Amino acid sequence: DIQLTQSPSFLSASVGDRVTITCRASQGISNFLVWYQQKPGKAPNLLIYAASTLQSGVPSRFSGSGSGTEFTLTISSLQPEDFATYYCQQLNSYPRTFGGGTQVEV
Amino acid sequence: QVQLQQWGAGLLKTSETLSLTCAVDGGSLSGYYWNWIRQPPGKGLEWIGEISHRGSTNYNPSLESRVSISVDNSKNQLALRMTYVSAADTAVYYCARLYTYYCTATRQCIYMDVWGKGTTVTVSS
Repeated sequence: DIQLTQSPSFLSASVGDRVTITCRASQGISNFLVWYQQKPGKAPNLLIYAASTLQSGVPSRFSGSGSGTEFTLTISSLQPEDFATYYCQQLNSYPRTFGGGTQVEV
Repeated sequence: QVQLQQWGAGLLKTSETLSLTCAVDGGSLSGYYWNWIRQPPGKGLEWIGEISHRGSTNYNPSLESRVSISVDNSKNQLALRMTYVSAADTAVYYCARLYTYYCTATRQCIYMDVWGKGTTVTVSS
């Protein structure tokens, strides 16, 4: 199985901060990496696919980069509605796996 | 706008069988893989498995011996069955659509773009 390691697990930030979350894969996954945002009691919401493509309707302050084994999700200016948990997922091979999550809090 | 409606028994006893259904509203099963994912309380996401509209399946090896995913094209529904549940299976269960297409001539784009709201399943002894 491909392991995805997210860091940090918790991130304390303020409105307006630039935030970067890293996702490292245990083996190369090309660009088959997706980022989701999840708020308490809700299903995950797709933010970015193919490592760097913004899903329609997602604010442009979110961006993704990387290929192979190292990926990043960046929020350029944190907004109040961005306080949530973020997960990466690899869709390169089976079984599909998720990172452990990064909780972004005040 | 495709929506996924989920339902199923929310309280089970140890060793019983979990059965959940996911209905696709506003779209077709055809052309996609349909996934089940779960999330234990306070923990991360775990992929359970997927099925195509033709019934082709892939499962997480860690659960494969107890899991079965099926599809009913006449009802536009998919179902998850998990046998011999234990407390470790207590979780919110989600169904999700996997969208795959060629975003360039040679590059595939793959993502889960539509999710159900989740069904909470609690297993007690």
